[in-house]
Amino acid sequence: AQTVTQSQPEMSVQEAETVTLSCTYDTSENNYYLFWYKQPPSRQMILVIRQEAYKQQNATENRFSVNFQKAAKSFSLKISDSQLGDTAMYFCAFKTSYDKVIFGPGTSLSVIP
Amino acid sequence: DVKVTQSSRYLVKRTGEKVFLECVQDMDHENMFWYRQDPGLGLRLIYFSYDVKMKEKGDIPEGYSVSREKKERFSLILESASTNQTSMYLCASSPGQGRYEQYFGPGTRLTVT
Repeated sequence: AQTVTQSQPEMSVQEAETVTLSCTYDTSENNYYLFWYKQPPSRQMILVIRQEAYKQQNATENRFSVNFQKAAKSFSLKISDSQLGDTAMYFCAFKTSYDKVIFGPGTSLSVIP
Repeated sequence: DVKVTQSSRYLVKRTGEKVFLECVQDMDHENMFWYRQDPGLGLRLIYFSYDVKMKEKGDIPEGYSVSREKKERFSLILESASTNQTSMYLCASSPGQGRYEQYFGPGTRLTVT
């Protein structure tokens, strides 16, 4: 079975500091896609960043970057210069064949002023 | 911007009632999804559709059915609501054709009493 694991149910970080959220996944496929989604309190889920497994270069989007370790099946999210608006639930997700996406249980991140 | 709308933000129904949850996307996306979100479990896929009148079971289809008569609209039906279907329901769409990021609606919080 293909699964996504997020081992940190809750995390906190001081404003302006850097935080890393961990994610591991299990698959036998070679070509796949990985995503991080953000769900702010009482707001819609939005895409933060995506990574294609065939690309060795780690994806970056402004203050958000990933550390993709394909052999270890690890896909962590680094948030630099944390802001209060980063407070949210973060979900790691993995795309299988046929456009089906599997989500992890989520990590609740609190940014402390 | 892609807009995904859901018919209700909050819904309260009685056990045994038939419940319809509607989702509409305005960007001509090929794929549409229904998830339920429960604390500690992340998002679990109920059904998805990759074309009009096409549907595929997700991980937890029992007790649910779906309808996709038009490309922009994907409905989730609870034939006979039960208390264990109390949850947050999220609709999402994705472009398809090599693009797999998902765009989410605001969610419907359903309470079955």
